Amino acid sequence: AQSVAQPEDQVNVAEGNPLTVKCTYSVSGNPYLFWYVQYPNRGLQFLLKYITGDNLVKGSYGFEAEFNKSQTSFHLKKPSALVSDSALYFCAVRDMINDYKLSFGAGTTVTVRA
Amino acid sequence: SAVISQKPSRDICQRGTSLTIQCQVDSQVTMMFWYRQQPGQSLTLIATANQGSEATYESGFVIDKFPISRPNLTFSTLTVSNMSPEDSSIYLCSASPGLTNNEQFFGPGTRLTVL
Repeated sequence: AQSVAQPEDQVNVAEGNPLTVKCTYSVSGNPYLFWYVQYPNRGLQFLLKYITGDNLVKGSYGFEAEFNKSQTSFHLKKPSALVSDSALYFCAVRDMINDYKLSFGAGTTVTVRA
Repeated sequence: SAVISQKPSRDICQRGTSLTIQCQVDSQVTMMFWYRQQPGQSLTLIATANQGSEATYESGFVIDKFPISRPNLTFSTLTVSNMSPEDSSIYLCSASPGLTNNEQFFGPGTRLTVL
């Protein structure tokens, strides 16, 4: 069975500084990886995905993620964080063999201070 | 992408009653899912809503408690039956347009409080 781990419950950065949210995964077969963001009292919004191809994936709102097969990681990054990036971030992996279900990490709360 | 709406957006219910949550997608989708999310927590999959057949439930969730309907490719309902305060949560509908390398899109959620 596939799974993802987000080792940090919280990440705090100053506005303008780089932001990294960590994610590691465990799958049998090729990983299909996703990042979602959830703002307070809102549903989940899709940020980006890795299916195949370039290891650096670019997504919405200036976010990108780097797929590293040897380290089984898919860290989310943003070169210059904004206060409006403060939200709850989820990494997820999809089972493309059995049932196409998403498995989510525990989530990381990002706080960007002005 | 798919735009998903849910009704109601929130509700406060009495113990022992039932609530039906509606999920509408703006286009035909292959798969629909229902999740539960405790505030500030991760998402737990309740079931996969199958068009024209019974839903597929995850471990710990049963049809009698969470009956699901999916009459067509754009609509699904989740009923939370015989509610207790432990059912207070956010319920999210999700849809995936296709089977391969497509992301899931999520509705805004229904915030349920059971007194």
